[in-house]
Amino acid sequence: QSVLTQPPSVSAAPGQKVTISCSGSPSNIGNNYVSWYQQLPGTAPKLLIYDDNKRPSGIPDRFSGSRSGTSATLDITGLQTGDEADYYCAAWDSSLYLGGAFGTGTKVTVL
Amino acid sequence: EVQVVQSGAEVKKPGESLKISCKTSAYSFTTYWIGWVRQFPGKGLEWMGIIYPGDSDTRYSPPFQGQVTISVDTSINTAYLQWNSLKASDTAMYYCARGVGVNVVRYFDIWGQGTMVTVSS
Repeated sequence: QSVLTQPPSVSAAPGQKVTISCSGSPSNIGNNYVSWYQQLPGTAPKLLIYDDNKRPSGIPDRFSGSRSGTSATLDITGLQTGDEADYYCAAWDSSLYLGGAFGTGTKVTVL
Repeated sequence: EVQVVQSGAEVKKPGESLKISCKTSAYSFTTYWIGWVRQFPGKGLEWMGIIYPGDSDTRYSPPFQGQVTISVDTSINTAYLQWNSLKASDTAMYYCARGVGVNVVRYFDIWGQGTMVTVSS
């Protein structure tokens, strides 16, 4: 059972915007950076956003992230058919465990 | 180019042991974490554990503590995930990834292609 909760699915038409939430607690999102990963069907995950809102080289600015309190958000604007994938948030957890966790995952469907 | 390349798919019987590998190249192996991630078919990502090759600091997620062993061989820039006695419920895809951060893993920036492990009698 993940400590980071995401909606199971979101959908929108091409060109529209989707927002994916990631809800945690003070020990993880509340005090640590959030990263986001995109997993296209049949492939390994790929880093999309790191340190809450930074994009690695090659990631278009249609993808943006933010963090506030114990929640984080990934926005995808100008939705494209190639964005159809699973998206996961992740954060370190400073509780007794001293490790990290992934979110439950969100399937993005382009209508 | 930084690379993380995993060993090939495995088919094993329950009770057998297994060690899969994650070979890295083109970066300083001892200054980044390596993490292992499990994914059941059609399911989400699960953080198994991490190791810092520089000092072998290893941390397991509670569900995996005592179930697997994470290790490294710094002479060949390779990390390992090992089982002593496989169960059918270990059937899954396993990913390794390079972790960035000091004392904590802030994110995984480079991922291996995955190793499918199938355990069946």
